[in-house]
Amino acid sequence: AQTVTQSQPEMSVQEAETVTLSCTYDTSESDYYLFWYKQPPSRQMILVIRQEAYKQQNATENRFSVNFQKAAKSFSLKISDSQLGDAAMYFCAFPSYNTDKLIFGTGTRLQVFP
Amino acid sequence: NAGVTQTPKFRILKIGQSMTLQCAQDMNHNYMYWYRQDPGMGLKLIYYSVGAGITDKGEVPNGYNVSRSTTEDFPLRLELAAPSQTSVYFCASSYGTAGNTIYFGEGSWLTVV
Repeated sequence: AQTVTQSQPEMSVQEAETVTLSCTYDTSESDYYLFWYKQPPSRQMILVIRQEAYKQQNATENRFSVNFQKAAKSFSLKISDSQLGDAAMYFCAFPSYNTDKLIFGTGTRLQVFP
Repeated sequence: NAGVTQTPKFRILKIGQSMTLQCAQDMNHNYMYWYRQDPGMGLKLIYYSVGAGITDKGEVPNGYNVSRSTTEDFPLRLELAAPSQTSVYFCASSYGTAGNTIYFGEGSWLTVV
């Protein structure tokens, strides 16, 4: 069965500093995508970044980047120059080819301190 | 540019009542999903659909029903509401699975008292 695990229920970071959120997953598929979603207090789900498993290069979107290690089945999110607006729940998600389902981790709550 | 629209945004139900959460998307997406999110938890898949006329159960389908008569609409029906169904419900859609971005509605906050 495919699973997504986020082992950090809460993280905190000082404004302007860098923080890394962890995600591991388990799958027997060889070609897939991975996503990080942000959920601020408004509860809206916002796509942060997407990684294609067949690409060696780690995805980057402005201050957000991933460290994708396919062999280790690890997909961490790095937030650089953290801002107060980055405070939110962050979910790692994995869409399955075979079952047409998007599987979410349990989330990491990120606090940003001034 | 509406995207995924859910109604209502907030609703209080009494135990045993029924209601339908509406979801519509204007992006011509084949795939649509209903998730629920309990306080402090992640999202759990209730039902999903890969196209008009096709629906399938997710992780937590009990107490819910869906239909998909058109590509645009994917309503979620709650029959005989129970306090355990108090949650935030998200409708989502995508062109397909795999690498296609999933777009979420703004959520519907449901309380059963």
